[in-house]
Amino acid sequence: DGGITQSPKYLFRKEGQNVTLSCEQNLNHDAMYWYRQDPGQGLRLIYYSQIVNDFQKGDIAEGYSVSREKKESFPLTVTSAQKNPTAFYLCASSMVGTRGEKLFFGSGTQLSVL
Amino acid sequence: AQTVTQSQPEMSVQEAETVTLSCTYDTSENNYYLFWYKQPPSRQMILVIRQEAYKQQNATENRFSVNFQKAAKSFSLKISDSQLGDTAMYFCAFTANSNYQLIWGAGTKLIIKP
Repeated sequence: DGGITQSPKYLFRKEGQNVTLSCEQNLNHDAMYWYRQDPGQGLRLIYYSQIVNDFQKGDIAEGYSVSREKKESFPLTVTSAQKNPTAFYLCASSMVGTRGEKLFFGSGTQLSVL
Repeated sequence: AQTVTQSQPEMSVQEAETVTLSCTYDTSENNYYLFWYKQPPSRQMILVIRQEAYKQQNATENRFSVNFQKAAKSFSLKISDSQLGDTAMYFCAFTANSNYQLIWGAGTKLIIKP
């Protein structure tokens, strides 16, 4: 079955540590996105990519980095510069070319600070 | 700035009743798309319904329908014959034709009581 796989489901970060969240899709989608979800707030866009080897910053990119070396994969690194990383992180993908396409979401990663 | 507002943080209704969730948005764009996404306790985000701004007819998906009032910039979701499985967070989202980014509301927590 086609879908988006995020791993791990839960992740703990120590002070000063970088951690990487995995996102893989087999939907043959061109566009991929990373969102952050905090309690009581809507989703906020961290980074997005519309094509391999290219990505753009979203509204809250500071303290995060991404890569898009393969169409299927869009890993997110939460760096030590992100001072408040505790949140639920959602990866999504969509077709590119038609605006208004629905997003397909992964099941998310809950990141907590030890 | 484009914004999406969901004024009801939480609602609860009895099973089989009809419930309406409200959403208002602000934009100067004329062509755009509106969405309702559902996030059940599993935390996976699922598309419920989608509306294109240039279509006057309100979108319908089985028990879910919208009341789209373009002039009032209002996009409410009606759930008929509510079921226990409808218990979830519901998010309203908007994207304009000028970009691929989704703007999200803060969500409404809907509880269906048996």
